[in-house]
Amino acid sequence: QTVVNQEPSLTVSPGGTVTLTCASSTGAVTSSYYPNWIQQKPGQAPRTLIYSTDKRYPYTPARFSASLLGGKAALTLSGVQPDDEADYYCVLYSFVGQYWVFGGGTKLTVL
Amino acid sequence: QVQLRESGPGLVKPSETLSLTCSVSGVSIGRDYWGWVRQPPGKGLEYIGHIYDSGSTNYNPSLQSRVTLSLDASKNEFSLKLNSVTAADTAVYYCARWRPIEYWGQGTLVIVSS
Repeated sequence: QTVVNQEPSLTVSPGGTVTLTCASSTGAVTSSYYPNWIQQKPGQAPRTLIYSTDKRYPYTPARFSASLLGGKAALTLSGVQPDDEADYYCVLYSFVGQYWVFGGGTKLTVL
Repeated sequence: QVQLRESGPGLVKPSETLSLTCSVSGVSIGRDYWGWVRQPPGKGLEYIGHIYDSGSTNYNPSLQSRVTLSLDASKNEFSLKLNSVTAADTAVYYCARWRPIEYWGQGTLVIVSS
């Protein structure tokens, strides 16, 4: 079964830039995995920020960008704000088994 | 404004069946994908499965033998059944519009306990 790996935790200073990554145990992540990036703040429901690798929703702040980087999906936050402190999950589509797999999440601390 | 709302029992006994419904407002569920995700207390998100308007389904292989998703377009709602539950199935269960993953419900906590 596919395993999706993310950094367990990252710390960034306000105003800084940080990149979160998402790797698949099956090999390089491509657009065929349809990477989604999901933000979850404590006590709240998840909110999808990015879908299909790099597409933002209208409500997604422009400081969030996503791409494929070195065989992984990547989410970059530029000009980080204290409000960005949250858990971030990537989820990939496994086209072999036709199901989706979440990564373990990255706890982002803004300090 | 699209809204999803999960409903169902908050307490289920071990070995019984967990049943949840997701009511959708603001959009017709026809010709679209709808999914379920769960989150055990203090842990990460887990994909359960998703269903398309035609009734075709995809499930997490680790849950496939116990999960059934269904959809009722006339009521604009879709449902999850998980049988033979154990304490490990205690979680907040979320429904969401799938492919792309966009709208989420607020989640409902289901505790498995006798």
